[in-house]
Amino acid sequence: QQPVQSPQAVILREGEDAVINCSSSKALYSVHWYRQKHGEAPVFLMILLKGGEQKGHDKISASFNEKKQQSSLYLTASQLSYSGTYFCGTEMGTSYDKVIFGPGTSLSVIP
Amino acid sequence: DAGVIQSPRHEVTEMGQEVTLRCKPISGHNSLFWYRQTMMRGLELLIYFNNNVPIDDSGMPEDRFSAKMPNASFSTLKIQPSEPRDSAVYFCASSWTNVGSYEQYFGPGTRLTVT
Repeated sequence: QQPVQSPQAVILREGEDAVINCSSSKALYSVHWYRQKHGEAPVFLMILLKGGEQKGHDKISASFNEKKQQSSLYLTASQLSYSGTYFCGTEMGTSYDKVIFGPGTSLSVIP
Repeated sequence: DAGVIQSPRHEVTEMGQEVTLRCKPISGHNSLFWYRQTMMRGLELLIYFNNNVPIDDSGMPEDRFSAKMPNASFSTLKIQPSEPRDSAVYFCASSWTNVGSYEQYFGPGTRLTVT
């Protein structure tokens, strides 16, 4: 039931773009994205509900393709502050349910 | 708001001892979650409560683990007896849950080391 994330790790230079993918073998109701910096707690980024919507704030956005049971997180013009581990969390079924987190993608932005 | 409060922040104990972790959710939130995070297993959901009622405890590893939420402002996760493999960071999170859409606010975590 745990979603699959790719890549496992990525290193970027400041200003470069990155895409993190999240996929599930089961139908999804929603996808949640969190970022965790080293030694800190995960922090919410955004939720996407089924319907294929795309969300974003600042230079981080995400899409959700419910037919493919996939979501992608887009980081544009990366900044040093973007470094951390990104987790997608999937909520299955047709209504409120628990969120299962993927294994995470480690993102390092270097000068 | 002070956010989700967890105590203690660090706990070192010997194998076989009882460990109690505490959590105070954000006031007004109706759902509370306990997670365990390790390098090997990632971020695992142990149990979650809605309106103080346990909804899903399928992630609780075994009978040594128990969780309670006696009221809307307090929850405990107890491990008895503790084992070295229980060493991990335990997070508590809370949310205001509406159908299909909620964000979770995580506490700072409790780093547990069992020797």
